[in-house]
Amino acid sequence: DTEVTQTPKHLVMGMTNKKSLKCEQHMGHRAMYWYKQKAKKPPELMFVYSYEKLSINESVPSRFSPECPNSSLLNLHLHALQPEDSALYLCASSLPGGGNSGVILRGNEQFFGPGTRLTVL
Amino acid sequence: AQSVTQLGSHVSVSEGALVLLRCNYSSSVPPYLFWYVQYPNQGLQLLLKYTSAATLVKGINGFEAEFKKSETSFHLTKPSAHMSDAAEYFCAVIKAAGNKLTFGGGTRVLVKP
Repeated sequence: DTEVTQTPKHLVMGMTNKKSLKCEQHMGHRAMYWYKQKAKKPPELMFVYSYEKLSINESVPSRFSPECPNSSLLNLHLHALQPEDSALYLCASSLPGGGNSGVILRGNEQFFGPGTRLTVL
Repeated sequence: AQSVTQLGSHVSVSEGALVLLRCNYSSSVPPYLFWYVQYPNQGLQLLLKYTSAATLVKGINGFEAEFKKSETSFHLTKPSAHMSDAAEYFCAVIKAAGNKLTFGGGTRVLVKP
């Protein structure tokens, strides 16, 4: 299984709603990532998890809350979002390669999911 | 800081013609460089990557890229374009820690019959 799956494919939510995006992989990858991609722009990194621990937070607003409950799952909890948060949210995973130290080796290929297209009304 | 620049946000080629997408990087250390493709309403798929093993890298779907240190370039080529190559292409570089990908602005390829 060389696939990263994301659910839902599409999500429409109001600014007062609470919703979650889910990402799953069964490739044994211990590094997982959330990216945000606005229309006609490249993806921008939001969070990196290594061995289920948050290792990078790119100064993302607290209305986005990531969670990595186990080595196969990655969630992104959404609360009180703004219309400008509407975007394609991409999940990715990779081999960390650095042992249990949590260090992610540079150069390991990131496998991307198809994304969740989020619209905030 | 490491970054990549893609020259040309749009490229139009005829079916069967050469595809050339340009990517230049800035790096003070040997970089890890990637080319990804994104089809409409889909995620990103890796075409190829450079990790210092060989300067000419062959990827999927007939694409290849050559790492030129003297020019700080990693241009992507395909000898003969196919209609299915119409997509957005991103060049990306790995930053120092955390396997963090930094993407170029992207190049949209249009293939004319």
